[in-house]
Amino acid sequence: AQSVSQHNHHVILSEAASLELGCNYSYGGTVNLFWYVQYPGQHLQLLLKYFSGDPLVKGIKGFEAEFIKSKFSFNLRKPSVQWSDTAEYFCAVNPSYNTDKLIFGTGTRLQVFP
Amino acid sequence: DAGVTQSPTHLIKTRGQHVTLRCSPISGHKSVSWYQQVLGQGPQFIFQYYEKEERGRGNFPDRFSARQFPNYSSELNVNALLLGDSALYLCASSTDRATEQFFGPGTRLTVL
Repeated sequence: AQSVSQHNHHVILSEAASLELGCNYSYGGTVNLFWYVQYPGQHLQLLLKYFSGDPLVKGIKGFEAEFIKSKFSFNLRKPSVQWSDTAEYFCAVNPSYNTDKLIFGTGTRLQVFP
Repeated sequence: DAGVTQSPTHLIKTRGQHVTLRCSPISGHKSVSWYQQVLGQGPQFIFQYYEKEERGRGNFPDRFSARQFPNYSSELNVNALLLGDSALYLCASSTDRATEQFFGPGTRLTVL
């Protein structure tokens, strides 16, 4: 069955620390990849997406992600986190043969302390 | 430009009852998808509708049904509610399939 794994359930960092959140998926075909963020009390928002082309994708608020096809991974990174990055982060996969169906990981809760 | 809107915001029902949740997509978006997000988990796909036709269905029982109207708004219906149906129900819209989806704020359903 298609699935998405996020290895870190809860990450605690101090401001200015670097961030890397892992995401692996199990699907052998072509996929579209997404990272969504859910800030406290707000709805899901798109951070970045990968459809094709350059595997290093830049998103909003200084986030980036690298698609490594051989590892079925799409890890999220940010060189220096801020307190305002405190949120829940979801990796999602859309097998492009299919509909809009997104398969989400279980999420990673990030807490950043000043 | 207005985003995806959902109503109601919160809902409390008892076991066995029926519930209808509503979603209005972003103007110009013809695709609407529904997701269920249980506390502590990622959203799970329930349905997708495009141009009023069902394009995809997740692994949910027949108690769950949906439809899309000519103005592209959508309803999600759940019959014979169970305690396990308590969740945040999210609606997302997009211009077409396999593109970026925009999520609404969700409807928080509590089944007692």
